[in-house]
This record gives sequence, C-alpha cells and structure tokens, in this order.
Amino acid sequence: NAGVTQTPKFQVLKTGQSMTLQCAQDMNHNSMYWYRQDPGMGLRLIYYSASEGTTDKGEVPNGYNVSRLNKREFSLRLESAAPSQTSVYFCASSKDRGHEQYFGPGTRLTVT
Amino acid sequence: GENVGLHLPTLSVQEGDNSIINCAYSNSASDYFIWYKQESGKGPQFIIDIRSNMDKRQGQRVTVLLNKTVKHLSLQIAATQPGDSAVYFCAEIYEKLTFGTGTRLTIIP
Repeated sequence: NAGVTQTPKFQVLKTGQSMTLQCAQDMNHNSMYWYRQDPGMGLRLIYYSASEGTTDKGEVPNGYNVSRLNKREFSLRLESAAPSQTSVYFCASSKDRGHEQYFGPGTRLTVT
Repeated sequence: GENVGLHLPTLSVQEGDNSIINCAYSNSASDYFIWYKQESGKGPQFIIDIRSNMDKRQGQRVTVLLNKTVKHLSLQIAATQPGDSAVYFCAEIYEKLTFGTGTRLTIIP
C-alpha cells in the first residue's frame, strides 16, 4: 500500500495564478483532510471531507476550494494564489472522523 | 485577520537521557489520544495511542501517560537518540481529531 500520496512535491506560483494540489489514499478510508503548516507552527485544518460526496470548512478555508472526486481522491484548489498561501500543505485520511489520521509527505508551495 | 497560530515550544535533551513531552487537552469527553512525530520535511507519523480507559501504555522506548483528572497527556521517550529529534504533536479524539500545538524536541550530542 502506498498510503497517502500527494502531488506535486514542490511548486512555485506567481501571485494570481491558480493550481490544484492532488491527494489520493489507498486505505479505503472514508474521511480525508487538507492542512497547512507554516514554518515553526502547528497544523491548521483547511477543509475536510467526512465521507465521499461531502466537504466542510475547517479553521482556515478562505482562498481555497476542495473537491472529493471519489472515495480515493481529495483535491485542493487555489484559484488566485497569494503570498500568504506560501506554506507546506498536508493531506491526510482516516477510517472515519473519530479515528487516527495518516498523512501524506506534503507539498511545499511558494507564492511570489 | 487570519489566525497566524502559535510558535512551537521547544525541549532540548542530552543524548541518552529520557525525554518527557507534555500536552494539555481541552475536552473532558475525549476518549482516544494519539501522539504523532513529525521529522523535518515529512508528514506527521503515528507513534502511540491510548484509550481513555487506560492511564498508561508502553511501546518500544516510548510510554504514554494519561491523567484524565487534570486533562493531561505525556509522552516519555527512553534513552533519547539523535533520530528522536522532531516535532511531537498530541491529538485528542471525540467525534473528531483535534491536534495540540506541538513541541520541538532537540537532542544535544
């Protein structure tokens, strides 16, 4: 099992550009999550999907959109990137919301 | 404005000594607790968990202690090694998982 995979690993964007971060899990988990982590900080929840077909806002959703494409895949989209969105983005999945989460390797995004 | 979060507290320990990382949780109804380890450049990884009906659980070189009376969780790492350098997060679960702030552990050779 690959676990949770994320693409790309690194990305540099100019202010105003858009992009989509991809995430997939092969553990048949119902719930998936997107976090951001700024240098020296903890994890902040952007959006989550408790089950296929549902998405909900987390702590810091402004400037992002998500799509739960199917049970395996959960993508995060930045429509108009801003320097404040420079961060490391982690995708995670869990059996259900009340279970431990498994994390991907992260995407390091820089917006100039 | 946007919540910019808190900088991580740090703990420095001599190699070979024992480390104790503490965490205060917020919800007295939480019934499941997890410790994660995050090495530089990587995603958080599960280390050990404990259910609320236990007060101690041991793994390989790690022990988690739970004190429900004061809502406190600790992670003890025995004979700390350079590879233990990382950020450690506690997490509590009641219907959903909530992360604690995290502690950066630095090992002094």
